[in-house]
Amino acid sequence: QKEVEQNSGPLSVPEGAIASLNCTYSDRGSQSFFWYRQYSGKSPELIMSIYSNGDKEDGRFTAQLNKASQYVSLLIRDSQPSDSATYLCADTGGGADGLTFGKGTHLIIQP
Amino acid sequence: GAGVSQSPSNKVTEKGKDVELRCDPISGHTALYWYRQSLGQGLEFLIYFQGNSAPDKSGLPSDRFSAERTGGSVSTLTIQRTQQEDSAVYLCASSWRGGSNYGYTFGSGTRLTVV
Repeated sequence: QKEVEQNSGPLSVPEGAIASLNCTYSDRGSQSFFWYRQYSGKSPELIMSIYSNGDKEDGRFTAQLNKASQYVSLLIRDSQPSDSATYLCADTGGGADGLTFGKGTHLIIQP
Repeated sequence: GAGVSQSPSNKVTEKGKDVELRCDPISGHTALYWYRQSLGQGLEFLIYFQGNSAPDKSGLPSDRFSAERTGGSVSTLTIQRTQQEDSAVYLCASSWRGGSNYGYTFGSGTRLTVV
């Protein structure tokens, strides 16, 4: 059973600080990784994708991938209260071409 | 359409009844996925369509669940003889093609409550 693991949290971070969200995956063959943000009562929205080892930056968000350690992370700089949400990590370990999602980390940005 | 459209947004049904959930993907997206999310849980994969065919039905929890897609567009997920454990948010997502290198766009979901 291919798995994606995340700490459920809640992770509490003061406004303006860096929020660091982590994810590990079990399938060494996974090639593509995604971070989704899900506000309470809403559907997930894609915020970052990463395919290569190293860092990928997009605005205040940086995704980091280390395939040797089977580890993906998401950094959010200058955290804002509007960043408070559940962050879902997903990889290509799902059935056929489906994504496998972690259970998500609940992030709280404290004003 | 501009986004993935799901209907109904909410459905309350009595145990034992059948329900149909509908998903209208983004125009031109060939891949369509159904997931469900129970309260406080992650996303559980149900089924994947590429065009009208379903290469992967491995996630369907029982034979009470079925899905079809017609015209490479709209999909319906049918749950027969609903049970209380079927209560969840059912999410549909589409992607412009199959292959997990492409992120999904999710619809707003159907919240199903079986009473």
